[in-house]
Amino acid sequence: GAVVSQHPSRVICKSGTSVKIECRSLDFQATTMFWYRQFPKKSLMLMATSNEGSKATYEQGVEKDKFLINHASLTLSTLTVTSAHPEDSSFYICSARLAGGETQYFGPGTRLLVL
Amino acid sequence: AQTVTQSQPEMSVQEAETVTLSCTYDTSESDYYLFWYKQPPSRQMILVIRQEAYKQQNATENRFSVNFQKAAKSFSLKISDSQLGDAAMYFCAYKGYGNKLVFGAGTILRVKS
Repeated sequence: GAVVSQHPSRVICKSGTSVKIECRSLDFQATTMFWYRQFPKKSLMLMATSNEGSKATYEQGVEKDKFLINHASLTLSTLTVTSAHPEDSSFYICSARLAGGETQYFGPGTRLLVL
Repeated sequence: AQTVTQSQPEMSVQEAETVTLSCTYDTSESDYYLFWYKQPPSRQMILVIRQEAYKQQNATENRFSVNFQKAAKSFSLKISDSQLGDAAMYFCAYKGYGNKLVFGAGTILRVKS
């Protein structure tokens, strides 16, 4: 139980284009989802917290107009990297938490490379 | 603000031996949760074990157990009978009253055959 999927697993795009990453909770309803960014051999950096049906809460220093987050249903959240640049290249991970629960379950991550 | 410290950037263990990964945290909250996550080379974050602060008994999951010392704010992970598949980066994490998980910097565990 508590499986989270992410799609795509890796994506290469040209500078200036937008990329959408999907995060789905497959066997549970997630009122809250989280988006992280991770650099090689580093810890996870929280970008934003996404609540179903409401606006995401972004961490300090994260550009909300660049990283658009939508949590339209209890099983799906999306992260859109708009006008991507090479410095946005990174590993993006989502997680989901069961309603009323304390544990976050993580997706397998998406490797983004912007050329 | 809460902080989580993992003081061991890297650890090594011989296959079948036991290893302990350390984690300390700082908080003024009285009710919270602590977690160990494993991130193997695939980079999928996997929940290893969790501990509720109000429980005095240390959590155990098969070969994985914790030593939770609430007064000392310490939460170490013991891996018994280490296997090659245990090689990964291990993250200690804290969740208090808020939504967020606070992660430590991670410990790379190498398992030697």
